[in-house]
Amino acid sequence: DQQVKQNSPSLSVQEGRISILNCDYTNSMFDYFLWYKKYPAEGPTFLISISSIKDKNEDGRFTVFLNKSAKHLSLHIVPSQPGDSAVYFCAASANNNDMRFGAGTRLTVKP
Amino acid sequence: DADVTQTPRNRITKTGKRIMLECSQTKGHDRMYWYRQDPGLGLQLIYYSFDVKDINKGEISDGYSVSRQAQAKFSLSLESAIPNQTALYFCATSDNRDRAADTQYFGPGTRLTVL
Repeated sequence: DQQVKQNSPSLSVQEGRISILNCDYTNSMFDYFLWYKKYPAEGPTFLISISSIKDKNEDGRFTVFLNKSAKHLSLHIVPSQPGDSAVYFCAASANNNDMRFGAGTRLTVKP
Repeated sequence: DADVTQTPRNRITKTGKRIMLECSQTKGHDRMYWYRQDPGLGLQLIYYSFDVKDINKGEISDGYSVSRQAQAKFSLSLESAIPNQTALYFCATSDNRDRAADTQYFGPGTRLTVL
């Protein structure tokens, strides 16, 4: 069973505009959420995280929003740049135990 | 130099062969993980180890085994490879402290093809 779902396999945006990547989860025990970014032929790299006690975390152009009641989180990238083109994975963990990943969303930022 | 390395980077093998994938890290982390990535399924956890004497099964451990030879080394074995084990395999590490353990550092991946 997929406890973390990314329902959009791909997203295309224009350079300078906002990119919004979405993620839904089913396990109410998840208390820590992360976004990873993956370029071709490389392993995923950590991007940003959020604890369940918060509803927003911001790091430069990247902001993650958490809506616990809806079991939904989103990653906003503003402004989007061509170098942001990659696959983005949403991940969640419960009590520091094993992590569950979504299937990924491929973001393409067009110049 | 990369903090998490995987060997080999690519491997083609035949059904029934025994295969070992190796992972080494220089980050000094206690926790190590093996994942596989299949199209449309994201990353699935195979095995993880919280220290040298600790081995735990993940979501999809059947058909795989692991060995934690030292803090820095964690190998994944396919005793008798089958075609549906064709996938991209990633090793990862994380720190043992508090929620820092949630942030994992990944190797570059091994592409395994079983014919």
